[in-house]
Order: sequence, then C-alpha cells, then structure tokens
Amino acid sequence: SAVISQKPSRDICQRGTSLTIQCQVDSQVTMMFWYRQQPGQSLTLIATANQGSEATYESGFVIDKFPISRPNLTFSTLTVSNMSPEDSSIYLCSVAADEQYFGPGTRLTVT
Amino acid sequence: GQQVMQIPQYQHVQEGEDFTTYCNSSTTLSNIQWYKQRPGGHPVFLIQLVKSGEVKKQKRLTFQFGEAKKNSSLHITATQTTDVGTYFCAGTKYSGYSTLTFGKGTMLLVSP
Repeated sequence: SAVISQKPSRDICQRGTSLTIQCQVDSQVTMMFWYRQQPGQSLTLIATANQGSEATYESGFVIDKFPISRPNLTFSTLTVSNMSPEDSSIYLCSVAADEQYFGPGTRLTVT
Repeated sequence: GQQVMQIPQYQHVQEGEDFTTYCNSSTTLSNIQWYKQRPGGHPVFLIQLVKSGEVKKQKRLTFQFGEAKKNSSLHITATQTTDVGTYFCAGTKYSGYSTLTFGKGTMLLVSP
C-alpha cells in the first residue's frame, strides 16, 4: 500500500501568482502522477512525474504553466504558475503501486 | 484520443434498491479500474478488471468487463446509505504502468 500526503490542503491565491503543491509518499514508487479535478467533474491527467528526467505532459498542459519536480522516488511538486480563476480546481497527486492511490488533494481557489 | 464514456451521470435511489453504472470506451482497453469518491474525499481504488468477460464481486458490488474489452459495468445490490458517492471508471490502453483515462463518473445518492 501507499500513503500519500499533500501540502497545502487548500489555498486561496490571487490572480497572477504561483503556488507550489507538495506530494509525499510513504514508500518509494516509480510512477507518480498529477491530476486536476474541477468542481463536480472527472479527473484529468496533467502529467506523469518522472524521477531524474522531465515530466511527461498530457495534451493541453505545458511545462511553463505546470512545472513539476521529482527529486526522488518519494516526493514530487507541482507548481501552478501565473494563476487565473480558471485554474481553480482540486489538484491530486497519485501513485501506482500494487494499485493506484490518490492523495487527499489540494483545493485551490484563484481570485 | 481515447475517450471513456460513463452513464448515467447521476442516480438517486431508495435504500435497498439496486444501482448500475455503465462505462464505454472508444478503443479496446488493456484493463479497466473502478474508483469511488465520497463527497469531499479523494478517489479510492475499488477493483481492476483485466480479462475479457471477467466478472468480479466484492460483497454487494459486481464488476463486469465486456468480451470486447471496451465496456464495463458496476452493479450494487440492495444499496445502503454508505454507498453514496461518485463512481468512476478509468481505462488504460496498454498493459503495465499506463496512464488512466477517467470517465465522467456517476454520482449516486441513496435515500434512507
């Protein structure tokens, strides 16, 4: 199993600023993912965080807007840059171990 | 790109009634996974189906994977108020570690 923690759990940010979300896993995992879930919607994969190399981004998401770090096998960060109200969402970290686990999420509101 | 459709979007049942949600993929899947997300919570893995025609049961929950590996269903027998939440299917196109494409989810409300 894997236990995932995320910081912060929620934040309210001003337009044009950036927020870095941290994801910590209690065990070493190869695959870490970042998802976005807008209110009442499904989950959309932003990128796969690769240890030791650049993240792999899905269509519609770019590194300049969502830079990701993965310094080791238990930790990753996602930065939401130059935020606008459209970035208001829940951001979820996920890992693939024996099954797929999700963190508790970071609820971001951009005003 | 791969699309996963899920119906219905929403269902409200009386406690004790049955519930089914259906998932259809535009492409053949390697496997399909089901998740439950309680209100205010995060998705929790329920099960993974890999084989064509596979049926798995977890207590009152029955999961099926279609013969063509393009559709799946989750059936709950005799719903309880604890079943409230949104149920998501998610498919992977390739075996091994592969990115998940989520359906839009079915929100289940159960009235006592």
